[in-house]
Amino acid sequence: EEQLVESGGGLVEPGRSLRLSCVVSGFTFDDYAMHWVRQGPGKGLEWVSGINWNGASQGYADSVRGRFTISRDNAKNSLYLQMNSLRVEDTAFYYCTKARSLNYFDPWGLGTLVIVSS
Amino acid sequence: QSALTQPASVSGSLGQSITISCTGSISDVGAFNYVSWFQQHPGKVPKLMIFDVSHRPSGVSHRFSGSKSGNTASLTISGLQAEDEADYYCSSYTTFSTSVFGTGTKVTVL
Repeated sequence: EEQLVESGGGLVEPGRSLRLSCVVSGFTFDDYAMHWVRQGPGKGLEWVSGINWNGASQGYADSVRGRFTISRDNAKNSLYLQMNSLRVEDTAFYYCTKARSLNYFDPWGLGTLVIVSS
Repeated sequence: QSALTQPASVSGSLGQSITISCTGSISDVGAFNYVSWFQQHPGKVPKLMIFDVSHRPSGVSHRFSGSKSGNTASLTISGLQAEDEADYYCSSYTTFSTSVFGTGTKVTVL
């Protein structure tokens, strides 16, 4: 069974940093691109960032470009999201998801909650 | 990277069919056949229902179908059932090598 488990969320003050992790199992991690998607409280889904199988190519939403950095460690079956200069509007559940092909996001992890507040 | 436009809500009676639209631009929906649809029940993780405009993953009911015309994609749910009541989101790959989600549609079964 394919599993994705996010961690690293929590309460952080505006302007501070946080690093999210996603550990996967049940599939060959380095065969697939991976993505982060977030959902603010009571809001819709927002694509945040994606990375190709070997980490050589990354993409970011305009709302996070220059502040967030996606990376992966294929030896550890792990995906990361380094979030700097956090803003109140970054408050959300952050999900990692496997990309079977372009825009084919399945499965998803259960998410980790990030709250940015003073 | 503006969100794709979906109606805020759509409703239908048990057994009826409903269609949810997803309007983008020449830079996303109109550019590729990489449109997906996700179902999300309250408090749950999104579930992929349609990929590549009209393909269903294994295990998804045949009552769900997708299509696209120009810059607008559509999800049709036929034979509406109580368990179909949920939020639905479209998503598209873009010419900027990113992805974008729709604004979301709440489906109510009357």
